[in-house]
Amino acid sequence: QAVVTQEPSLTVSPGGTVTLTCAASTGAVTSGHYPNWFQQKPGQAPRPLIYSTNNKHSWTPARFSGSLLGGKAALTLSGVQPEDEAEYYCLLYYGGYWVFGGGTKLTVL
Amino acid sequence: QVTLGESGPALVKPTQTLTLTCTFSGFSLTTSGMSVSWFRQPPGKALEWLARIDWDDDKYYTTSLRTRLTISKDTSNNQVVLSMTNMDPVDTATYYCARMQRGTSGSYFNFDYWGQGTLVTVSS
Repeated sequence: QAVVTQEPSLTVSPGGTVTLTCAASTGAVTSGHYPNWFQQKPGQAPRPLIYSTNNKHSWTPARFSGSLLGGKAALTLSGVQPEDEAEYYCLLYYGGYWVFGGGTKLTVL
Repeated sequence: QVTLGESGPALVKPTQTLTLTCTFSGFSLTTSGMSVSWFRQPPGKALEWLARIDWDDDKYYTTSLRTRLTISKDTSNNQVVLSMTNMDPVDTATYYCARMQRGTSGSYFNFDYWGQGTLVTVSS
């Protein structure tokens, strides 16, 4: 089964910009992996942010964007807010089954 | 308004079978492109996708647990049931269900609504 890798932790200043990435052990991440991104805060269920690479949900703040970058899926936060401190997970599709990354703990400091 | 909710035992003993129910509203699992997936998250660890059932009754399972999992649906009662056999303490986790929508011709896959999760502890 594929392994999906994310940065374990990142720190960003309020108002700054940060990019989280999602790499696949099977090679480059493509749109065919339909990358999904989720935000999770302690004690809460995952909150969907991005689906199929770069599509936002109606509730996704405009400062969040998804893309493919250098063979990885990427989630960029522009103008980070204190409430963006959370764990972020990517999810990739492998023709029937799905694999999560290990998550990135984002600290806003 | 789409909602999903998980229910099942909070405590199971090792070797027992866990049965969880996802009860949903606001959509139908008979609608083309609609699916429900199950996930889990051990305390302090990452999320894991477990299984998915589609509107046409296609079923998919994570490779590592394929022999222990069974997913089924009851469309008349808007429920999806997940069974996991031979439970072990390492299966202690919060279990979630979520709706997934598939675009026409697989143009997108969208996990949009999640339940709040149910914590299952495996202990004797």
